Amino acid sequence: AQTVTQSQPEMSVQEAETVTLSCTYDTSENNYYLFWYKQPPSRQMILVIRQEAYKQQNATENRFSVNFQKAAKSFSLKISDSQLGDTAMYFCAFMKHFRDNYGQNFVFGPGTRLSVLP
Amino acid sequence: GAVVSQHPSRVICKSGTSVKIECRSLDFQATTMFWYRQFPKKSLMLMATSNEGSKATYEQGVEKDKFLINHASLTLSTLTVTSAHPEDSSFYICSATMDDTQYFGPGTRLTVL
Repeated sequence: AQTVTQSQPEMSVQEAETVTLSCTYDTSENNYYLFWYKQPPSRQMILVIRQEAYKQQNATENRFSVNFQKAAKSFSLKISDSQLGDTAMYFCAFMKHFRDNYGQNFVFGPGTRLSVLP
Repeated sequence: GAVVSQHPSRVICKSGTSVKIECRSLDFQATTMFWYRQFPKKSLMLMATSNEGSKATYEQGVEKDKFLINHASLTLSTLTVTSAHPEDSSFYICSATMDDTQYFGPGTRLTVL
């Protein structure tokens, strides 16, 4: 079974600074996807960034980038030039590449609550 | 693209009644949709996988007869909470898959009195 761990329940960062959220996972799969989702106070889950395990290049979306270390099973999210609107819960998630009917194919971590301070 | 809607956004009902929540993929077709439950300050807990044209797959511990799922078309899945009780009060979120990525609805806040 897959597990996703986020070791930082809460973090804070000053506006315009950079912050890194950590995520580790455990799987025996070789092909999979990793995601970071953001859940602001509105509770709408928003896709931040997506990484395919077979791609060595780290995914980047504007101010958001990841550090994907497949051997270490680590998938951290870096937010540059933090903005007040980045305040949210951030969930790391794992998805098998080949879905089956056995066990969960999509697994969320427990989340990290990020506060961006003015 | 990849917009998922959910209706209603909030519902309050009396204990013993049934409540239906709709999940729609607005600009894409989804053969698979997912239903989650989220407790305050917690992560999402997968309840079931909704498959178009076939029976839903429920996670361990989720009562099939209590949480009825119907996926009648490629753009609509419904979750019916039958004989709701106060312990069913929660935030329910659906998602639909496109291009190996899950896109989420805005959620439904259910309060059972």
